[in-house]
Amino acid sequence: ILNVEQSPQSLHVQEGDSTNFTCSFPSSNFYALHWYRWETAKSPEALFVMTLNGDEKKKGRISATLNTKEGYSYLYIKGSQPEDSATYLCADPNAGGTSYGKLTFGQGTILTVHP
Amino acid sequence: NAGVTQTPKFQVLKTGQSMTLQCAQDMNHEYMSWYRQDPGMGLRLIHYSVGAGITDQGEVPNGYNVSRSTTEDFPLRLLSAAPSQTSVYFCASSRSGGPFSEQFFGPGTRLTVL
Repeated sequence: ILNVEQSPQSLHVQEGDSTNFTCSFPSSNFYALHWYRWETAKSPEALFVMTLNGDEKKKGRISATLNTKEGYSYLYIKGSQPEDSATYLCADPNAGGTSYGKLTFGQGTILTVHP
Repeated sequence: NAGVTQTPKFQVLKTGQSMTLQCAQDMNHEYMSWYRQDPGMGLRLIHYSVGAGITDQGEVPNGYNVSRSTTEDFPLRLLSAAPSQTSVYFCASSRSGGPFSEQFFGPGTRLTVL
């Protein structure tokens, strides 16, 4: 995989549902994998920076896991709330072959949580 | 701290006009960058800087110039605006620019080129 890919592109869930989505990234020469949340009319905000294979990070109802050997990360949201509605972006600082600050972003997963 | 600030928030240009998008941060971050966001394309890196006096090209640099004379400021110049530059522009900064350093984004500038 040469690019950072996210799936699905969009997701509609009901309030209270749990959900998850995927970020795939080049697995060779891994350094880190970033997750950002981007709410409408705001700017992207960092959720997690994942660095170790098998890493799991958690912030409230949101958690993320990392598999560097197969090149994917999952983001989970437990008991989704309308305020979780946002675009979730992942980014790889080494997808372009250089690790210094050049984040390559996926296209994002747009999550809509219906009351 | 104000974080990362951008001006203007909105701008309409005519084809061929030039303008400068301003970006400033007050967190003493070494690394700053400019992205553009287009529907279906995600965020794409235009230019970045690893410190005052040092800049480099990102994925989509054509039609844009940058300079970094101070740690705080990183303006983006559109030399001769084209409709293809209609986009939302985000400035970001991080402490070091290394792979483990999360980036902080400004509020964005929505640019329309007619």
